Amino acid sequence: DGGITQSPKYLFRKEGQNVTLSCEQNLNHDAMYWYRQDPGQGLRLIYYSQIVNDFQKGDIAEGYSVSREKKESFPLTVTSAQKNPTAFYLCASSVGTEGEQYFGPGTRLTVT
Amino acid sequence: EDQVTQSPEALRLQEGESSSLNCSYTVSGLRGLFWYRQDPGKGPEFLFTLYSAGEEKEKERLKATLTKKESFLHITAPKPEDSATYLCASPPAGGSYIPTFGRGTSLIVHP
Repeated sequence: DGGITQSPKYLFRKEGQNVTLSCEQNLNHDAMYWYRQDPGQGLRLIYYSQIVNDFQKGDIAEGYSVSREKKESFPLTVTSAQKNPTAFYLCASSVGTEGEQYFGPGTRLTVT
Repeated sequence: EDQVTQSPEALRLQEGESSSLNCSYTVSGLRGLFWYRQDPGKGPEFLFTLYSAGEEKEKERLKATLTKKESFLHITAPKPEDSATYLCASPPAGGSYIPTFGRGTSLIVHP
């Protein structure tokens, strides 16, 4: 089955540690996205990538980094510079940037 | 600035009590609208794309409609399993590559 996967489902880290969230898709989509979702805040875009080896900052990119070395993969690193990293992180992909997005199951990150 | 506003923020219904959710938008050069369903602790699930005013799409108890200024998600005779947050979003417009999401309507259907 085609789809988009995120791992792990739950992640716990100590403050000051970098952590990388995985996102893989086998939908052959060119565009991929990372969102952060906090209660009452809706979806906020962190980074997006229209094509391999290219990505752009979204609205809240500070303290995060990404790479897009393969079409299928778009990992997100939450660095120690992110002041409030505890959140639910969602990865999505779409055929192009104008089409509907397909989301992964999400990773809930807790930093203490 | 493109904006997508959903109302109400929360809606409680009795099983079988039909109602509608609203998504209004102020998007330049609108080229469609998306509806998603999100269950607690899960990623949003794509439901519909509406491309032009007057268009309607249905899936089970859900029917989405689109006018020039807003979209409605009609829920007919809802069941408890329809409880979820429903999100709408406009695709990128005006040179942007980023979709605009509303904050969602949290729907609870009581048995």
